[in-house]
Amino acid sequence: DIQMTQSPSSLSASVGDTVTITCRASQDIDNSLAWFQQKPGKAPKSLVYAASRLQDGVPLKFSGRGSGTDFTLTISNVQPEDFATYFCQQHQGLPLTFGGGTKVE
Amino acid sequence: EVQLVESGGGLVRPGGSLRLACAASGFSLRDYDMIWVRQAPGKGLEWTSYISSFGHSLTYADSVRGRFFLSRDNAKNSLSLQIRDLRAEDSSIYYCARAFSFGGAVIDLWGQGTLVTVSS
Repeated sequence: DIQMTQSPSSLSASVGDTVTITCRASQDIDNSLAWFQQKPGKAPKSLVYAASRLQDGVPLKFSGRGSGTDFTLTISNVQPEDFATYFCQQHQGLPLTFGGGTKVE
Repeated sequence: EVQLVESGGGLVRPGGSLRLACAASGFSLRDYDMIWVRQAPGKGLEWTSYISSFGHSLTYADSVRGRFFLSRDNAKNSLSLQIRDLRAEDSSIYYCARAFSFGGAVIDLWGQGTLVTVSS
């Protein structure tokens, strides 16, 4: 199975900051990487797929980059509604595997 | 409104069974592959099962194979997950999710989840 490793596990941010989360795959997954946002007590929300493509309705403040094994999610101009946990996930093949999550607080 | 709504969770004794349902609305289920993902309290996300749009392909995680059985009824726009021989480690929120094919199965819509608790 492909292992997904996120860093950091948590980070502290202030309103207006730009933050970057990193995700590393244990093997080359081309650009088959998705990002999700999850707020406490809520279901995950899909943000990005294919490393850099935004899901419908996702604001441009979210941007994904990377290919192969190393990927990033950048959130610009962090607002109160962006404080959440973010997960990466490889969608190259089954089993789908997720990173451990990064809490932005 | 485009949404997925899960139901069927609850408190079950170890070794028991449960059937989870996922009702789709606002779109045609036949156009999508479907996935179940679970999340233990305070933990990360774990993929458990996948079914292709017309049910021809089924895949399960090693941790649930032989105990989880996924089916779908496209005419009723619904999905069903039968879980047998429940264990304490199956206690989680179970989410059904819609997926489309783009370099693999890409999740674009999640249900609100249903909680399964396995305890004596």
